[in-house]
Amino acid sequence: VQLVESGGGVVRPGRSLRLSCAASGFTFTSFDMHWARQAPGKGLEWLAVISFDGSPKYYADSVKGRFTISRDNSKNTLYLQLNSLRFEDTGVYYCAKDDYYGDYIGIDHWGQGTLVTVSS
Amino acid sequence: IQMTQSPSSLSASVGDRVTISCRASQAIRNNLAWFQQLPGKAPKSLIYAALSVQSWVPSRFSGGQSGTHFTLTISGLQPEDFATYYCQQYFDYPYTFGQGTTLEL
Repeated sequence: VQLVESGGGVVRPGRSLRLSCAASGFTFTSFDMHWARQAPGKGLEWLAVISFDGSPKYYADSVKGRFTISRDNSKNTLYLQLNSLRFEDTGVYYCAKDDYYGDYIGIDHWGQGTLVTVSS
Repeated sequence: IQMTQSPSSLSASVGDRVTISCRASQAIRNNLAWFQQLPGKAPKSLIYAALSVQSWVPSRFSGGQSGTHFTLTISGLQPEDFATYYCQQYFDYPYTFGQGTTLEL
Protein backbone atom coordinates (compact mmCIF):
# COMPACT_ATOMS: atom_id res chain seq x y z
CA VAL A 1 0.00 0.00 0.00
CA GLN A 2 1.29 3.43 -0.92
CA LEU A 3 -0.48 6.73 -0.41
CA VAL A 4 1.29 9.88 -1.61
CA GLU A 5 -0.18 13.29 -0.85
CA SER A 6 0.66 16.44 -2.78
CA GLY A 7 -0.64 19.95 -3.30
CA GLY A 8 0.25 21.53 0.03
CA GLY A 9 1.88 24.93 0.29
CA VAL A 10 1.56 28.45 1.62
CA VAL A 11 -1.76 30.18 0.97
CA ARG A 12 -3.39 33.39 2.15
CA PRO A 13 -6.51 33.37 4.33
CA GLY A 14 -9.71 33.13 2.32
CA ARG A 15 -8.02 31.45 -0.62
CA SER A 16 -8.35 27.87 -1.88
CA LEU A 17 -6.13 24.84 -2.33
CA ARG A 18 -6.64 21.33 -3.70
CA LEU A 19 -4.81 18.39 -2.19
CA SER A 20 -4.29 15.10 -4.01
CA CYS A 21 -3.51 11.61 -2.78
CA ALA A 22 -2.18 9.09 -5.29
CA ALA A 23 -2.93 5.51 -4.26
CA SER A 24 -1.18 2.32 -5.34
CA GLY A 25 -0.59 -1.23 -4.17
CA PHE A 26 -4.23 -2.04 -3.49
CA THR A 27 -7.58 -2.03 -5.28
CA PHE A 28 -8.48 1.65 -4.83
CA THR A 29 -12.04 1.17 -6.03
CA SER A 30 -12.83 -1.24 -3.19
CA PHE A 31 -12.12 0.98 -0.19
CA ASP A 32 -13.46 4.08 1.50
CA MET A 33 -10.87 6.83 1.82
CA HIS A 34 -10.30 9.47 4.52
CA TRP A 35 -8.57 12.79 5.14
CA ALA A 36 -7.23 13.82 8.53
CA ARG A 37 -4.97 16.64 9.67
CA GLN A 38 -2.62 17.63 12.45
CA ALA A 39 -1.99 21.22 13.47
CA PRO A 40 1.58 22.01 14.55
CA GLY A 41 2.27 20.43 17.93
CA LYS A 42 -1.32 19.20 18.24
CA GLY A 43 -3.19 15.91 17.95
CA LEU A 44 -4.89 14.21 15.05
CA GLU A 45 -8.21 15.48 13.70
CA TRP A 46 -10.37 13.39 11.36
CA LEU A 47 -11.81 15.53 8.54
CA ALA A 48 -13.77 13.56 5.95
CA VAL A 49 -14.54 10.21 4.36
CA ILE A 50 -15.76 9.19 0.92
CA SER A 51 -17.28 5.85 0.06
CA PHE A 52 -15.52 3.53 -2.39
CA ASP A 53 -17.90 4.57 -5.18
CA GLY A 54 -18.00 8.28 -4.38
CA SER A 55 -21.11 8.47 -2.24
CA PRO A 56 -21.86 8.99 0.57
CA LYS A 57 -19.45 11.51 2.08
CA TYR A 58 -19.18 12.66 5.68
CA TYR A 59 -17.35 15.62 7.20
CA ALA A 60 -16.19 16.95 10.54
CA ASP A 61 -18.19 19.96 11.67
CA SER A 62 -15.02 22.09 11.61
CA VAL A 63 -14.74 21.80 7.80
CA LYS A 64 -18.29 21.10 6.66
CA GLY A 65 -19.29 23.55 3.92
CA ARG A 66 -15.68 24.65 3.28
CA PHE A 67 -13.88 21.43 2.36
CA THR A 68 -14.97 18.89 -0.25
CA ILE A 69 -13.71 15.34 -0.56
CA SER A 70 -13.81 13.61 -3.94
CA ARG A 71 -12.14 10.78 -5.81
CA ASP A 72 -11.33 9.73 -9.36
CA ASN A 73 -11.35 5.95 -9.44
CA SER A 74 -10.01 5.94 -13.02
CA LYS A 75 -6.86 7.68 -11.73
CA ASN A 76 -6.63 5.99 -8.31
CA THR A 77 -6.59 9.45 -6.77
CA LEU A 78 -8.29 11.05 -3.78
CA TYR A 79 -8.79 14.80 -3.48
CA LEU A 80 -9.58 17.38 -0.84
CA GLN A 81 -10.69 20.84 -1.99
CA LEU A 82 -9.99 23.41 0.72
CA ASN A 83 -11.95 26.68 0.36
CA SER A 84 -12.18 29.80 2.53
CA LEU A 85 -9.00 28.84 4.31
CA ARG A 86 -8.37 30.11 7.84
CA PHE A 87 -5.21 30.42 9.93
CA GLU A 88 -6.40 27.48 12.03
CA ASP A 89 -6.41 25.22 8.94
CA THR A 90 -2.61 25.20 9.04
CA GLY A 91 -1.20 21.72 9.51
CA VAL A 92 -0.14 18.45 7.94
CA TYR A 93 -2.92 16.81 5.93
CA TYR A 94 -2.96 13.01 5.66
CA CYS A 95 -4.94 10.72 3.44
CA ALA A 96 -5.77 7.24 4.71
CA LYS A 97 -7.53 4.09 3.61
CA ASP A 98 -9.65 1.74 5.62
CA ASP A 99 -10.15 -1.99 5.37
CA TYR A 100 -12.27 -4.99 6.14
CA TYR A 101 -10.99 -8.18 7.75
CA GLY A 102 -14.40 -9.78 7.47
CA ASP A 103 -15.73 -6.94 9.58
CA TYR A 104 -14.93 -3.27 9.07
CA ILE A 105 -11.73 -2.35 10.93
CA GLY A 106 -11.39 1.37 10.26
CA ILE A 107 -8.23 3.08 9.00
CA ASP A 108 -5.23 0.80 8.43
CA HIS A 109 -2.79 2.79 6.26
CA TRP A 110 -1.76 6.44 6.11
CA GLY A 111 0.11 8.61 3.64
CA GLN A 112 3.17 10.62 4.65
CA GLY A 113 1.24 13.92 4.70
CA THR A 114 1.41 17.29 2.96
CA LEU A 115 1.87 20.59 4.79
CA VAL A 116 -0.63 23.42 4.37
CA THR A 117 0.32 26.79 5.80
CA VAL A 118 -2.27 29.56 5.89
CA SER A 119 -0.45 32.85 6.31
CA SER A 120 -0.88 36.47 5.31
CA ILE B 1 -18.45 11.00 20.48
CA GLN B 2 -15.69 12.25 22.78
CA MET B 3 -12.60 10.15 23.41
CA THR B 4 -10.66 10.90 26.59
CA GLN B 5 -7.12 9.57 26.85
CA SER B 6 -4.98 9.40 29.94
CA PRO B 7 -2.34 10.17 30.86
CA SER B 8 -1.33 12.91 28.43
CA SER B 9 2.31 11.97 28.98
CA LEU B 10 4.07 9.07 30.60
CA SER B 11 7.71 8.53 31.56
CA ALA B 12 9.05 5.01 31.41
CA SER B 13 12.22 2.98 30.86
CA VAL B 14 13.23 0.29 28.43
CA GLY B 15 11.78 -3.01 29.60
CA ASP B 16 8.85 -1.46 31.51
CA ARG B 17 5.21 -2.44 31.09
CA VAL B 18 2.93 0.55 30.46
CA THR B 19 -0.80 0.98 29.98
CA ILE B 20 -2.58 3.87 28.27
CA SER B 21 -6.26 4.47 28.86
CA CYS B 22 -8.99 5.72 26.52
CA ARG B 23 -12.61 6.25 27.49
CA ALA B 24 -15.52 6.85 25.12
CA SER B 25 -18.35 9.22 26.03
CA GLN B 26 -20.91 6.65 24.85
CA ALA B 27 -21.06 3.03 23.81
CA ILE B 28 -19.01 2.32 20.68
CA ARG B 29 -19.04 -1.50 20.84
CA ASN B 30 -15.51 -2.59 19.94
CA ASN B 31 -15.02 0.00 17.19
CA LEU B 32 -11.79 1.36 18.62
CA ALA B 33 -8.34 1.65 17.03
CA TRP B 34 -4.93 2.60 18.38
CA PHE B 35 -2.26 4.41 16.36
CA GLN B 36 1.39 5.14 17.02
CA GLN B 37 3.07 8.30 15.75
CA LEU B 38 6.79 8.86 15.83
CA PRO B 39 8.00 12.50 15.70
CA GLY B 40 7.69 13.92 12.20
CA LYS B 41 6.13 10.73 10.84
CA ALA B 42 2.70 9.58 9.76
CA PRO B 43 0.53 7.61 12.16
CA LYS B 44 0.77 3.83 12.05
CA SER B 45 -2.05 1.42 12.83
CA LEU B 46 -1.42 -0.83 15.84
CA ILE B 47 -4.76 -2.21 17.06
CA TYR B 48 -8.24 -2.52 15.54
CA ALA B 49 -11.50 -3.81 16.94
CA ALA B 50 -10.20 -2.90 20.41
CA LEU B 51 -8.24 -6.15 20.84
CA SER B 52 -6.84 -7.22 17.46
CA VAL B 53 -3.19 -6.51 16.72
CA GLN B 54 -2.18 -5.65 13.16
CA SER B 55 0.03 -8.25 11.50
CA TRP B 56 3.01 -5.87 11.33
CA VAL B 57 2.93 -5.02 15.02
CA PRO B 58 5.13 -6.80 17.62
CA SER B 59 3.37 -9.07 20.09
CA ARG B 60 4.35 -6.85 23.03
CA PHE B 61 1.44 -4.56 22.05
CA SER B 62 -2.03 -5.56 23.24
CA GLY B 63 -5.45 -3.98 23.53
CA GLY B 64 -8.15 -4.31 26.15
CA GLN B 65 -11.78 -3.32 26.63
CA SER B 66 -14.24 -3.07 29.47
CA GLY B 67 -17.44 -1.40 28.33
CA THR B 68 -16.48 2.08 27.16
CA HIS B 69 -13.02 1.89 28.72
CA PHE B 70 -10.18 0.81 26.43
CA THR B 71 -6.51 0.20 27.09
CA LEU B 72 -3.29 -0.14 25.14
CA THR B 73 -0.58 -2.09 26.92
CA ILE B 74 3.05 -2.37 25.88
CA SER B 75 4.88 -5.17 27.68
CA GLY B 76 8.65 -4.81 27.65
CA LEU B 77 9.20 -1.35 26.20
CA GLN B 78 11.75 -1.07 23.41
CA PRO B 79 13.59 2.13 22.40
CA GLU B 80 11.50 2.41 19.21
CA ASP B 81 8.26 2.48 21.25
CA PHE B 82 8.84 5.97 22.62
CA ALA B 83 6.26 7.86 20.60
CA THR B 84 2.79 9.39 20.82
CA TYR B 85 -0.22 7.09 20.88
CA TYR B 86 -3.78 7.92 19.85
CA CYS B 87 -7.04 6.07 20.23
CA GLN B 88 -9.83 6.60 17.69
CA GLN B 89 -13.45 5.53 17.58
CA TYR B 90 -14.90 4.42 14.25
CA PHE B 91 -18.37 3.57 15.54
CA ASP B 92 -19.96 6.68 14.06
CA TYR B 93 -19.11 9.74 11.98
CA PRO B 94 -17.43 12.04 12.64
CA TYR B 95 -14.65 9.72 13.71
CA THR B 96 -12.86 11.15 16.74
CA PHE B 97 -9.40 10.75 18.24
CA GLY B 98 -8.23 10.95 21.80
CA GLN B 99 -5.88 13.85 22.55
CA GLY B 100 -2.83 11.57 22.52
CA THR B 101 -0.40 10.12 25.06
CA THR B 102 3.30 10.83 24.69
CA LEU B 103 5.52 8.07 25.99
CA GLU B 104 8.85 9.51 27.09
CA LEU B 105 12.10 7.88 28.09
